[in-house]
Amino acid sequence: SQKIEQNSEALNIQEGKTATLTCNYTNYSPAYLQWYRQDPGRGPVFLLLIRENEKEKRKERLKVTFDTTLKQSLFHITASQPADSATYLCALHTGGFKTIFGAGTRLFVKA
Amino acid sequence: NAGVTQTPKFQVLKTGQSMTLQCAQDMNHNSMYWYRQDPGMGLRLIYYSASEGTTDKGEVPNGYNVSRLNKREFSLRLESAAPSQTSVYFCASLGGQGSRDQPQHFGDGTRLSIL
Repeated sequence: SQKIEQNSEALNIQEGKTATLTCNYTNYSPAYLQWYRQDPGRGPVFLLLIRENEKEKRKERLKVTFDTTLKQSLFHITASQPADSATYLCALHTGGFKTIFGAGTRLFVKA
Repeated sequence: NAGVTQTPKFQVLKTGQSMTLQCAQDMNHNSMYWYRQDPGMGLRLIYYSASEGTTDKGEVPNGYNVSRLNKREFSLRLESAAPSQTSVYFCASLGGQGSRDQPQHFGDGTRLSIL
């Protein structure tokens, strides 16, 4: 069955450092992959989309890579700030109108 | 621009009771979704509606029914609530005719507890 995995352990980093989150998937070849941010008590909010033919995508301090051979995406936040503390979800388009989501990785940025 | 609005925000039910979760979007999106989110698990798709007038089962449809009332509204009904349905429920909408290259827009969820 299709499976998508994110590091279940929380990531703790110091302000100003780069945070790197990992998303691995199996048994699927998605046309694109998305990253969302979720704050406590709120719904997920879309951040970035990267297509299968793109190696890297950037938006301000955010960078996403997509390696279809390794079946892995990396999500980077450079110059991290305490306001970046949240849970980050990886999502794969699985065809038609469906998307599957990972369980998310919690990020804590300490001042 | 409200986006996706869900009501109620919180609800406590007793086992066997029924209720309907409401969702409305004001972005003129064609597709709408219902997910549940449980600790340590990703969002799991319950039902979706690709367009007005159509609904389809997702990964975990048992115990739920849906109605796509019009283009704006998509409701989720629990006919006989069970403790296993205690969860946070999210509604989302998606623009465009196909799902490629389109993000989903989420509401802020309904926190449902079943005793």
